[in-house]
Amino acid sequence: DAKTTQPNSMESNEEEPVHLPCNHSTISGTDYIHWYRQLPSQGPEYVIHGLTSNVNNRMASLAIAEDRKSSTLILHRATLRDAAVYYCILRDRTYKYIFGTGTRLKVLA
Amino acid sequence: GAVVSQHPSRVICKSGTSVKIECRSLDFQATTMFWYRQFPKKSLMLMATSNEGSKATYEQGVEKDKFLINHASLTLSTLTVTSAHPEDSSFYICSARKEGGLYYEQYFGPGTRLTVT
Repeated sequence: DAKTTQPNSMESNEEEPVHLPCNHSTISGTDYIHWYRQLPSQGPEYVIHGLTSNVNNRMASLAIAEDRKSSTLILHRATLRDAAVYYCILRDRTYKYIFGTGTRLKVLA
Repeated sequence: GAVVSQHPSRVICKSGTSVKIECRSLDFQATTMFWYRQFPKKSLMLMATSNEGSKATYEQGVEKDKFLINHASLTLSTLTVTSAHPEDSSFYICSARKEGGLYYEQYFGPGTRLTVT
């Protein structure tokens, strides 16, 4: 079973920030938090990952709660190209990814 | 960045025939690759872990005789859907684990859409 829960869908206006939440209350101390996104008819694309500290890269920021039971992917300025399904995944020592339902992000022009 | 390719991108086959899908890591070696399937509007479902030089590990409920996996080299894994039926029609996606350094990352292929008529 998926170890993460996310809202099924979210909407954002173009050029505005988007905060995509993820709950992972059963996370263990060695699980990494990964975020991928998937455009229609394409394979998932890596977005960001983290373990304990907040992370920033050119695509997004990842804010991890102090107890690590939740995290938030932040897109600072949503564009139409950011419309996709975003998956929050816990990566354990087996390196297997168990995908949850993901959040379908709709960006409004 | 690391690139994973899949071939073919689309395939249509007749019921009862077998279809082979290739997954290649183009610029890195991968001792471990993964195979997923995805139905329309659904999430990815892990089918199996492909290990170079050894047998694949299948997830519960996945028929290993139906979905044959071969990982003969460090850059190539193949998934063969044997005796395909219409219910096998799906989007098949592979990923490859890039090793080295302090962290292991997975890179996904673009997917193969299989239609069985």
